[in-house]
Amino acid sequence: DGGITQSPKYLFRKEGQNVTLSCEQNLNHDAMYWYRQDPGQGLRLIYYSQIVNDFQKGDIAEGYSVSREKKESFPLTVTSAQKNPTAFYLCASSRDSQPQHFGDGTRLSIL
Amino acid sequence: AQKVTQAQTEISVVEKEDVTLDCVYETRDTTYYLFWYKQPPSGELVFLIRRNSFDEQNEISGRYSWNFQKSTSSFNFTITASQVVDSAVYFCALSDGTTDSWGKFQFGAGTQVVVTP
Repeated sequence: DGGITQSPKYLFRKEGQNVTLSCEQNLNHDAMYWYRQDPGQGLRLIYYSQIVNDFQKGDIAEGYSVSREKKESFPLTVTSAQKNPTAFYLCASSRDSQPQHFGDGTRLSIL
Repeated sequence: AQKVTQAQTEISVVEKEDVTLDCVYETRDTTYYLFWYKQPPSGELVFLIRRNSFDEQNEISGRYSWNFQKSTSSFNFTITASQVVDSAVYFCALSDGTTDSWGKFQFGAGTQVVVTP
């Protein structure tokens, strides 16, 4: 079945450590997105990419980095510069003007 | 600037009652899209409906119905005869209609719906 796969489901970060969240899609979608969700809040856009080898900052990009070397993959790195990384991270993809499809999310916590 | 307001933080109902979720939006764009997504406890977002700014026709889909009114900048969502499986957080979202901004959704804070037997 086509869809978006995020891994891992749960991730723990130590102080000063960079961690990378994986997002893979087999829907042949051009655009991919990363959102952050904090408890009781809506989703906020971190980064998005509309084509391979190109991406733009969203509303809260500081402390995060991404790459888009393949159409199917859009990994998100949470760097040590992100001082409050504990959140639920959702990846999404879309094609043209169609609604976004979302992955199951990765819950990141601090050790 | 775009803004989406979901004033209801949580709504609790007993099974079979109707539930209406409010969504008020702000945008200066003449072309925009409105969405409702459902987030069950498992965490993934499930797409429910999309409306563009030129389509004010209201829609009914099974137990779901939507009321889009540009005059009041509202896009409300009603669940008829609620069921326990409807328990989830529901998000309203807004996106302007330009290609460059597609996917840059502005989400509301969400409304938690709790349906008890």
